[in-house]
Amino acid sequence: DTGVSQDPRHKITKRGQNVTFRCDPISEHNRLYWYRQTLGQGPEFLTYFQNEAQLEKSRLLSDRFSAERPKGSFSTLEIQRTEQGDSAMYLCASSLANAADGYTFGSGTRLTVV
Amino acid sequence: EDQVTQSPEALRLQEGESSSLNCSYTVSGLRGLFWYRQDPGKGPEFLFTLYSAGEEKEKERLKATLTKKESFLHITAPKPEDSATYLCAVFSGGYNKLIFGAGTRLAVHP
Repeated sequence: DTGVSQDPRHKITKRGQNVTFRCDPISEHNRLYWYRQTLGQGPEFLTYFQNEAQLEKSRLLSDRFSAERPKGSFSTLEIQRTEQGDSAMYLCASSLANAADGYTFGSGTRLTVV
Repeated sequence: EDQVTQSPEALRLQEGESSSLNCSYTVSGLRGLFWYRQDPGKGPEFLFTLYSAGEEKEKERLKATLTKKESFLHITAPKPEDSATYLCAVFSGGYNKLIFGAGTRLAVHP
């Protein structure tokens, strides 16, 4: 297993366009998390899935954001009508259901909205 | 509200100059405190988990300790390759999410 994979690594988009990011978790992990990180800040929680069920969403996740995890495997995060304030690193992480040993993070997708 | 505060924001050390990073936390029922290392443009890399006050863990030049209100990451005789941002996090709301501090940016110069 190569860990948590995210694609693409970098995305530059024009304001108003839609973007979609993909995350492939560690295969035996049934929990998957999305975080957003801006420059100089720690990661901020966006949402998490247990298998295919989305169990919690942060207030940061506006109506323009949607996340899915079909069949409990990979996940996608879509941002509609992007704004300059959406520019950030989007991190995906996965864990076992008992997450006492913490999460494994991917390398992130860097989004730049111009 | 659960909260994590890290200090200092940035730290510059000479190679071999030992120091400590601080992580203060407020959480209802600590279920685990985590230290991660993050290199520029990459995701956080797990270092340690601490579960109860008095616990200590070591890895190479790093040693993490935990009290009821804070954790310290001690760096002994650092090398330039230890330069990174060090993040502290705690579980909030059961094991459903980690909340992070803003991190300490460490620069070690030869």
